[in-house]
Amino acid sequence: AQTVTQSQPEMSVQEAETVTLSCTYDTSESDYYLFWYKQPPSRQMILVIRQEAYKQQNATENRFSVNFQKAAKSFSLKISDSQLGDAAMYFCACTWGTSGTYKYIFGTGTRLKVLA
Amino acid sequence: DTEVTQTPKHLVMGMTNKKSLKCEQHMGHRAMYWYKQKAKKPPELMFVYSYEKLSINESVPSRFSPECPNSSLLNLHLHALQPEDSALYLCASSQDRNKGTQYFGPGTRLTVL
Repeated sequence: AQTVTQSQPEMSVQEAETVTLSCTYDTSESDYYLFWYKQPPSRQMILVIRQEAYKQQNATENRFSVNFQKAAKSFSLKISDSQLGDAAMYFCACTWGTSGTYKYIFGTGTRLKVLA
Repeated sequence: DTEVTQTPKHLVMGMTNKKSLKCEQHMGHRAMYWYKQKAKKPPELMFVYSYEKLSINESVPSRFSPECPNSSLLNLHLHALQPEDSALYLCASSQDRNKGTQYFGPGTRLTVL
């Protein structure tokens, strides 16, 4: 089965500390893309970071970085120097498309609370 | 301009009504998507349009009818919905169908009475 799994329904982090959100995925495709999206309460879903599967180097975006372990099919998100504005639901997603079949699969989400 | 707009923001309709949701983007994206999101759940893909042609229909009931009049507009026509169809309906767009980052609109909160 092609799935995306987020095993942490909820996480808490102290302001200015570091937190890691976990994501594992399962696909037999060789060419795929991984994303972390953030959805604040009652607000728009926005991209946090993106990783192409063919790139070995882990993506970084300011305070956000990923640990992409292709063999283990793991794609975790590290948030450094956490801020109150980071509080949101975080979704891991995987997309691929070959031979006319396209898939867009989201994980179940991790709710991140940031404590002042 | 990285904005996807959706109208209306809220919609309440009866089971016999016909209504439409509208989505617009002016980023030159050639792929547009409709998702359904229930509370505290991830988005579920409904439809994908690529170059104004329907390329994916994830076995959505026929009471939902998508339409892509041009490359910037995406509609979702609703007819004879059920209360369980109440949800947040998200529109998204990306540069192309299977590789691009998706930009999401704010959604339409639909309530079916």
